[in-house]
Parts: sequence; structure tokens; C-alpha cells
Amino acid sequence: EDQVTQSPEALRLQEGESSSLNCSYTVSGLRGLFWYRQDPGKGPEFLFTLYSAGEEKEKERLKATLTKKESFLHITAPKPEDSATYLCAVQESGTSYGKLTFGQGTILTVHP
Amino acid sequence: EAQVTQNPRYLITVTGKKLTVTCSQNMNHEYMSWYRQDPGLGLRQIYYSMNVEVTDKGDVPEGYKVSRKEKRNFPLILESPSPNQTSLYFCASSHSTGKGDTQYFGPGTRLTVL
Repeated sequence: EDQVTQSPEALRLQEGESSSLNCSYTVSGLRGLFWYRQDPGKGPEFLFTLYSAGEEKEKERLKATLTKKESFLHITAPKPEDSATYLCAVQESGTSYGKLTFGQGTILTVHP
Repeated sequence: EAQVTQNPRYLITVTGKKLTVTCSQNMNHEYMSWYRQDPGLGLRQIYYSMNVEVTDKGDVPEGYKVSRKEKRNFPLILESPSPNQTSLYFCASSHSTGKGDTQYFGPGTRLTVL
């Protein structure tokens, strides 16, 4: 049973066309939810950590929000350089620090 | 510069020939992890370590070994590699903030087992 599910699998946007990526999770208790960006052939790059429902964090054109069941990564007026795979991961409370479960990612392509 | 380094970055080997992929971090982090990434399967945790001499299995530990003799190093050992271990491997390190640990990733090692 998947603990972390991301949707859509792939998203194609025109430059300037805002949208959202979804990450739903089914852990019994959440210690933290993490968003990463990954460029082809490179290691994931940390974006945000969210700890509790209602929390929001922003960085440039990206805004991450968290509810009790899911997280959204909102992309406002995206640019072609925002094209990447966006990964969501959860750390379940009661597990060891260091244990992390990832979703399969959303491949975002932004066309000029 | 704070970083996680992995060596080698690319490796082609043959079935059954033991290999080690090294991982080192210069951030004095307690936690270190190994992941593999495969198309359609995402990032899956192989092993993780909470500190020196303390390790635990992740989701896909079969066919792999790890050791943590020093805080900065966390090598991944494939005693008898098989073609199904062909993958992109990432090492990561993190420290606890009391709320959660944010993992920072290395550049990856692309392994091909023939």
C-alpha cells in the first residue's frame, strides 16, 4: 500500500500558466513532509519542509501547503527553468529519524 | 562548502564482482541514507544510519550492505552485484532539528551491472 501518492504523473504548462501539484499521504502520524526538485541525472534539491496542517511556505514562484491528508505545491506564473521533477516525501512519527518515504514524482514541463 | 560527495559517479561492472560506492558528508550530520532510483518506481530507501555503528534496513535492502565506522562516511557495498541492481544511486545526510530531519542529497552514482 502506497504511503505517498503524487499527481499528476506529468504536467505540461505554458509559461505563465499557474497550476498545482498534489501529494497525498496515508501515514498514521506525520512528523514532516518534504518537497524536493530534481533535474535530470542530478540529486534531489531540497525545497520545503512542512510539519503541521495549515502550514505554508513560499520560495520565489513556489508555495507549499499542508492539510491532514495532502500537500500542494502551487506554481505561480512558471518559467521554463521551473521544468523538473518535483518529489514529495514523508517522515512518519514514531519511526527513526533518517527513515523517509518518497512518492513517484511529478514531471513538470514549462513551455516558453 | 557543505556537501555530500559520492564516488564513483559512473560505474560499469559485471555480475558477481564485489563493489563499493563511497559516500562522505562534511556537515557533521548524524543521519545518512542510501537510495536507488528507477524509472516508474521513484526513489526507494535501501539503508539508513542514525549514527556511527547504528544502521537499519530501508524498503529495499536485499543484496546490499552498509557500514558506518565514521560519522562522515557511509559506504554502500554490493557483495555480488546482479543486473537488477543496475540503477541510479543517491546518498543523503541529515540532522535532527527535533521536529524532523531534512535530507541533503549527493550527485548520484549511475551503476550498470552487465
